[in-house]
Amino acid sequence: SQQGEEDPQALSIQEGENATMNCSYKTSINNLQWYRQNSGRGLVHLILIRSNEREKHSGRLRVTLDTSKKSSSLLITASRAADTASYFCATRDDSWGKLQFGAGTQVVVTP
Amino acid sequence: DAGVTQSPTHLIKTRGQQVTLRCSPKSGHDTVSWYQQALGQGPQFIFQYYEEEERQRGNFPDRFSGHQFPNYSSELNVNALLLGDSALYLCASSLWTGGNTGELFFGEGSRLTVL
Repeated sequence: SQQGEEDPQALSIQEGENATMNCSYKTSINNLQWYRQNSGRGLVHLILIRSNEREKHSGRLRVTLDTSKKSSSLLITASRAADTASYFCATRDDSWGKLQFGAGTQVVVTP
Repeated sequence: DAGVTQSPTHLIKTRGQQVTLRCSPKSGHDTVSWYQQALGQGPQFIFQYYEEEERQRGNFPDRFSGHQFPNYSSELNVNALLLGDSALYLCASSLWTGGNTGELFFGEGSRLTVL
């Protein structure tokens, strides 16, 4: 079973536009992470936000976390064709090391 | 700095056979986790190894087993293959620093097809 659920399942935008995707989870967490995956290859870590943080930025990425609603959002600003990928949220609870992934949001950025 | 390397990248097996997948963690990392990713799904946690011991296990049958060697590399073995075992198998490494709550570094995966 998967802890996180991303919304929407797919997103199509044009270069320069912003892309927003959301993640909801079920149980309490230690931290939440976002990963990117290009065409069925390995996952690349984007950003980690801890349960006591509400917002975090990294370059064109902005992540928010609302633990009361058990939800997170990932915003990619000024998107580029190279941002075309699947994006996954993953949570860690209080246990040691296991990451639980959602089903992902497929983002397509057209020039 | 070598990242996570996995082998083989692709392989085809038939039902009932056995398969071994290999992983070398990123330099300096001591913890290896394995994930199974079916087509169109998110990765599912199989198990995690640290100090040559299985530390955590996901909801996978005993047909899935693993090993970690003294040099921190790891193997994933799957016995009695089923069609449903067809997936991308991802290895991820990290540093076990009093809780291992940080980011994971993934390899490119081994694509297993079971016919």
